[in-house]
This record gives sequence, C-alpha cells and structure tokens, in this order.
Amino acid sequence: QKEVEQNSGPLSVPEGAIASLNCTYSDRGSQSFFWYRQYSGKSPELIMSIYSNGDKEDGRFTAQLNKASQYVSLLIRDSQPSDSATYLCAFIGGFKTIFGAGTRLFVKA
Amino acid sequence: KAGVTQTPRYLIKTRGQQVTLSCSPISGHRSVSWYQQTPGQGLQFLFEYFSETQRNKGNFPGRFSGRQFSNSRSEMNVSTLELGDSALYLCASAPGGGEYGYTFGSGTRLTVV
Repeated sequence: QKEVEQNSGPLSVPEGAIASLNCTYSDRGSQSFFWYRQYSGKSPELIMSIYSNGDKEDGRFTAQLNKASQYVSLLIRDSQPSDSATYLCAFIGGFKTIFGAGTRLFVKA
Repeated sequence: KAGVTQTPRYLIKTRGQQVTLSCSPISGHRSVSWYQQTPGQGLQFLFEYFSETQRNKGNFPGRFSGRQFSNSRSEMNVSTLELGDSALYLCASAPGGGEYGYTFGSGTRLTVV
C-alpha cells in the first residue's frame, strides 16, 4: 500500500465549478497535512495546511480532514483556468514529509 | 526575503561520474529536505537535515548522500551516476521540522547520458 494515494486524473472541470481533490494516507499517527500546487515546469508551492479534523477555509480553497477515515480533501470553489496545475497531498511521518503522486486538474474556460 | 536557492539549475553528466548539488535555504530555516521528482514516481524523499544532523533518509542507494553545514546550507552528492538518476532534484526548507510546510527551491534538472 502506498503511503499517500491520490487519483492521478486528469480532473477536468468547467470554469466557475467546484473542483474536489481527494487523498488517503497510511500513517494513523500523523498530525500535519498539506496541499501543494505545482504548475508545469515549476516547483511545488504550499497552499493549505490542516491539523485538526474538520474544515479549514482560505479564500476559494477549503481543506477537509478526517483522521478516523485517514483522508484529506481539497475543494476549490469558483475554479479558474489559472488553477490548472497538479495538486499534491502530503503529510508528515517521522521527520519527513511524504507526498502523493498528485492529481492533475484542468479548468476549462 | 530571499527564497530557497538551488545551484546549478541544469546539469548534464555522463554515466559513472559524480555530481554535487547545492541548496541555500531561506535565512533562519534550519530544516532542509531533498526530493527526487520523476514523471513516473512523483516526489520521492531523499533525506532531511536539521542543524547539521540527518534525521531521516529515504529508500535510495548509498550512492546518494548529503550533508548540512553550520549555516544551514546543504549539499547532496550522487556518485557513480546511472541513467535512472536523471530527474529533477528539489530542495525544500522550513524553520523547524516542516510541521508548517516547506518552501521549495526551483530545483536542479540532472540529465545523465
């Protein structure tokens, strides 16, 4: 079993729609979870962190964490073409941040 | 505030050679992590350093090594290069243990021919 599982996509949504990205992780002891965005040819950029069960909102982004089910999700409201990128889910396990392979999101204008 | 600086940006090496990559973290950041990114494997963890101590190492052969200096700058070395080592090598820094997330450098694109 991979430590972090994400659907590789591509996930295609129309402009203005809600994009929903999901991730499951293996380490029940982890307390810190992250979403990074990576544009093609660029390095990953931290966009959200979440540490407690429930929702955390930041602008158009909402991260959701459910530790009992070991999943974390990212909702992007009012999706824009500029949101087209690969989204990486990550968590901390033993002095290392472990990344999923990422979900490619494509927002159609 | 300067970001994470990686040098060189691009590198072409021949099989069997060795290579050293450099990373200067954000000022004040004491944790530096290295990752290998390839299209098929995603971001693979290489090692993490904090205050000159390696705290964790990924599942890479001993040809991959690293170190961190007292000013938090870090280097990674790959000896006896193989074609499969061709990848983007990313360095990331954080103030502490990465619990608030990492800031990545632009990476070094290594091509082994």
